[in-house]
Amino acid sequence: DGGITQSPKYLFRKEGQNVTLSCEQNLNHDAMYWYRQDPGQGLRLIYYSQIVNDFQKGDIAEGYSVSREKKESFPLTVTSAQKNPTAFYLCASSKKNSGANVLTFGAGSRLTVL
Amino acid sequence: DAKTTQPPSMDCAEGRAANLPCNHSTISGNEYVYWYRQIHSQGPQYIIHGLKNNETNEMASLIITEDRKSSTLILPHATLRDTAVYYCIVRVGSGNTGKLIFGQGTTLQVKP
Repeated sequence: DGGITQSPKYLFRKEGQNVTLSCEQNLNHDAMYWYRQDPGQGLRLIYYSQIVNDFQKGDIAEGYSVSREKKESFPLTVTSAQKNPTAFYLCASSKKNSGANVLTFGAGSRLTVL
Repeated sequence: DAKTTQPPSMDCAEGRAANLPCNHSTISGNEYVYWYRQIHSQGPQYIIHGLKNNETNEMASLIITEDRKSSTLILPHATLRDTAVYYCIVRVGSGNTGKLIFGQGTTLQVKP
């Protein structure tokens, strides 16, 4: 079955360490997204990518970095510059079209910085 | 950017219809209305979307007012498994470059 796989599901890291979250999709979708969710809050967009080797900052990109070397993969690195990295991170993808933009989400990765 | 306003919480009796309202008074002509839901600690799930006409699928119905300034998501026969946070979103941008901006949504509690 096609879908989006995020790993790891849970991750614990010490303060000051960089962390990379994986996101892989086999839906042949063109666009991919990373969102952050804090307890009791909605989703906030970190980065998004419409095509390979191109990506744009979202609303809260500071302290994060991404790459899009393959269509299927969009890893997110949480750097030591991110002041409050503990959160639930969600990856999503969508197919390129001229109309509606329906996102498919992964199950999420929960990062806890100790 | 078009914004949406939803009530923070609602209750619904199991087996009854759940009607979730959403205001989007600044929506522009080519912006779609989307509904997603998120069950606790899971990724959001797409429910339905619409532009001008009412829409129905196997999960829900979407009623959009004629002036497009508000919409209602209807779950015709709510079950306990429908307990979730429901997000009403208006797409920003065009094509698939449009970002989906998620607010805090409506927490729907379906009660036995």
